[in-house]
Amino acid sequence: EAQVTQNPRYLITVTGKKLTVTCSQNMNHEYMSWYRQDPGLGLRQIYYSMNVEVTDKGDVPEGYKVSRKEKRNFPLILESPSPNQTSLYFCASRPPGAEKETQYFGPGTRLLVL
Amino acid sequence: RKEVEQDPGPFNVPEGATVAFNCTYSNSASQSFFWYRQDCRKEPKLLMSVYSSGNEDGRFTAQLNRASQYISLLIRDSKLSDSATYLCVVSQGGGFKTIFGAGTRLFVKA
Repeated sequence: EAQVTQNPRYLITVTGKKLTVTCSQNMNHEYMSWYRQDPGLGLRQIYYSMNVEVTDKGDVPEGYKVSRKEKRNFPLILESPSPNQTSLYFCASRPPGAEKETQYFGPGTRLLVL
Repeated sequence: RKEVEQDPGPFNVPEGATVAFNCTYSNSASQSFFWYRQDCRKEPKLLMSVYSSGNEDGRFTAQLNRASQYISLLIRDSKLSDSATYLCVVSQGGGFKTIFGAGTRLFVKA
């Protein structure tokens, strides 16, 4: 089944404790992206990747890192999480040359930073 | 000012009603336009892409007005299952940057 998976789905952590949220897609998509969703603000793009080893900042990259060492995986790293990073996070992917087509979203990761 | 603005609603309509949502965007260089649907903090799912010529998919009609920089979505004969949040989405930078509106909440009542 074609899908985007995220792990963990739920995470409670404390300020300053490094964490990684994994994202994996099995559709051989080149483009992948991370978003966070907060009430009243909608989804905001954190980082995106056009292909392996090619990443760029979205609108809210501060406090996050990403890597794209293989096409299928695009982990989101919070080196020193803070309470303002409490949010719902979505990973997405899209086939190449499909700018007018849908992005496929993972099920989301709910993060609470205490 | 947000790059993509939507009326947050909520819109409360009876079954069978016609309801319309509008969305405005500020960047004239925006290239692609979409409506997504999101149920109760689940992942967004594409409802339809939006083209300048307008497009229809069953009960749903989307329109794009580039001159005025607004996008619309019309839902005819509303069903209970249409209750959701509708997200207006634009992409820029060759499709790599994606900007979401905050969403419009729709409740369809029996």
